[in-house]
Amino acid sequence: DAKTTQPPSMDCAEGRAANLPCNHSTISGNEYVYWYRQIHSQGPQYIIHGLKNNETNEMASLIITEDRKSSTLILPHATLRDTAVYYCIVRARQGGSEKLVFGKGMKLTVNP
Amino acid sequence: EPEVTQTPSHQVTQMGQEVILRCVPISNHLYFYWYRQILGQKVEFLVSFYNNEISEKSEIFDDQFSVERPDGSNFTLKIRSTKLEDSAMYFCASNIGGTTDTQYFGPGTRLTVL
Repeated sequence: DAKTTQPPSMDCAEGRAANLPCNHSTISGNEYVYWYRQIHSQGPQYIIHGLKNNETNEMASLIITEDRKSSTLILPHATLRDTAVYYCIVRARQGGSEKLVFGKGMKLTVNP
Repeated sequence: EPEVTQTPSHQVTQMGQEVILRCVPISNHLYFYWYRQILGQKVEFLVSFYNNEISEKSEIFDDQFSVERPDGSNFTLKIRSTKLEDSAMYFCASNIGGTTDTQYFGPGTRLTVL
């Protein structure tokens, strides 16, 4: 089973920041938080990952709480193309083949 | 930017027939995976593959399934005798391993078993 909890859905206005929450209260010290998204039935798209520090890349920012029990993915200026199912996944980063365990994710709808 | 590719994009087959789904992982990646997603359901792990061996497989990956890396670029999933319930999107993924091991997914093959 997935080790994360996300709300089932969220709406956001185009151009506004989208803040996507995720709870991972049982995360252990060697586990990273990964975010992927899936647009329609396309392949999951990697967004960002982090261990304990906040991370930012060209797609998004990831804010992880100090106790690491929750995190927030931030899309700073949401567009209609960001409408997708977003998955928060906790995964040990062992440098090898560690499968991803997907939950149901959260459907983000960006409205015009 | 390198990407994982999969062929065909859509495969239609009759129940009981064999199908082979093909993937070309990113060229310098060493770890390979198959996942599937039945319509409306979660993405499920099937199998991982490294150094020409299966590293891990799920309960779904029974004797009807097999994987192979026949050459230096392709990674295939074979279903020997397809069932109606094998109808799903099949996604291939790969990662390089080591300290930079983010998995990257292909666009998927939609398998329809009639």
